[in-house]
Amino acid sequence: DAKTTQPPSMDCAEGRAANLPCNHSTISGNEYVYWYRQIHSQGPQYIIHGLKNNETNEMASLIITEDRKSSTLILPHATLRDTAVYYCIVRVATTGTASKLTFGTGTRLQVTL
Amino acid sequence: GAVVSQHPSRVICKSGTSVKIECRSLDFQATTMFWYRQFPKQSLMLMATSNEGSKATYEQGVEKDKFLINHASLTLSTLTVTSAHPEDSSFYICSAKQGNSPLHFGNGTRLTVT
Repeated sequence: DAKTTQPPSMDCAEGRAANLPCNHSTISGNEYVYWYRQIHSQGPQYIIHGLKNNETNEMASLIITEDRKSSTLILPHATLRDTAVYYCIVRVATTGTASKLTFGTGTRLQVTL
Repeated sequence: GAVVSQHPSRVICKSGTSVKIECRSLDFQATTMFWYRQFPKQSLMLMATSNEGSKATYEQGVEKDKFLINHASLTLSTLTVTSAHPEDSSFYICSAKQGNSPLHFGNGTRLTVT
């Protein structure tokens, strides 16, 4: 799986958009970009994933650059409950035993009043 | 969406005893489940892959005789920490996926060994 690089921490004011970057310059053509977050003392929560097109769901938007070497997770209106560690993971979409995810250190997002 | 449930959410046990953690896929069948461990201020580390009806596959450095995994049905995997010691105190998290959907995680079990 391709390695990802994320800033260790970010701050965001409540109500503002939180833009979390992720570099994945060695991504392969069949690898997806997945985003998860982990709120303190909970299991990781799936947010969104994409291959090359931008994606949006009820939680966030995912913007992937044309060369696919980086992406940005956007929380359009951050709230205090969005304070968490956000993980960007790159891997092929598969099933069974190969579908395990490898977590890096992520970005600790602190949303403030 | 897919829901993964873990039980208990937290457990305290004495050194030398064994603890069983359950992971259930509530609304889908999972032939494969994954067990992770997370120490304070660290990221999740994969411990083992649990396979329904067959032996689990352990990551390098994880003792299979200490962390017993049983995946007896398509909706239940259990992790038993045998002869627990204080250094086994950690946050244990399971995950599973339904078909091509993303991996979903349980809410974790915090184990404290005294």
